[in-house]
Amino acid sequence: ETGVTQSPTHLIKTRGQQVTLRCSSQSGHNTVSWYQQALGQGPQFIFQYYREEENGRGNFPPRFSGLQFPNYSSELNVNALELDDSALYLCASSLGATGGNEQFFGPGTRLTVL
Amino acid sequence: AQSVTQLDSQVPVFEEAPVELRCNYSSSVSVYLFWYVQYPNQGLQLLLKYLSGSTLVESINGFEAEFNKSQTSFHLRKPSVHISDTAEYFCAVGDYKLSFGAGTTVTVRA
Repeated sequence: ETGVTQSPTHLIKTRGQQVTLRCSSQSGHNTVSWYQQALGQGPQFIFQYYREEENGRGNFPPRFSGLQFPNYSSELNVNALELDDSALYLCASSLGATGGNEQFFGPGTRLTVL
Repeated sequence: AQSVTQLDSQVPVFEEAPVELRCNYSSSVSVYLFWYVQYPNQGLQLLLKYLSGSTLVESINGFEAEFNKSQTSFHLRKPSVHISDTAEYFCAVGDYKLSFGAGTTVTVRA
């Protein structure tokens, strides 16, 4: 059973640029959630996708957007990058979108915005 | 709305000593509670969870946590820690959308 994978591992961008982060969910999982973890802080929920539809969103501006594909992999897109977007971006997959389903986290993508 | 407060940012502890990590939560709906562990340069791993039923939940590696509704707490304990328990620990509350605390760094020394 393959776990959650994310790419790339590290990324360096400059202010104003756009970035796409990718996530492959664990086999059999149809739900993907994205979190932002700033240095020294806990992860913050960005949004969740369930069967290719957005299923809830945290307190992030519209320049954070996402997609989920028929194979349940997912992308996180961030436009007009700001310095404060520098963080570890975590993807988590689960079997179902209801409460209590264990979320399995990937290793994350470290984004640095200069 | 839901939120989590982890009361200790850093906990140094000697090997084979007990450890307690404190977590308080607030939630306006039914509560699911979780403890995650993050080892250096790795993603989060679920340590244990409370969904319903017995208020004391245990992990396979000796950790336990007790859900206390009246005190809105979900403290994590281990009676005897190992060097390998050095990591960051996060308490979380929520259903599909998890709200995490700021984390507690546990450093186990010989």
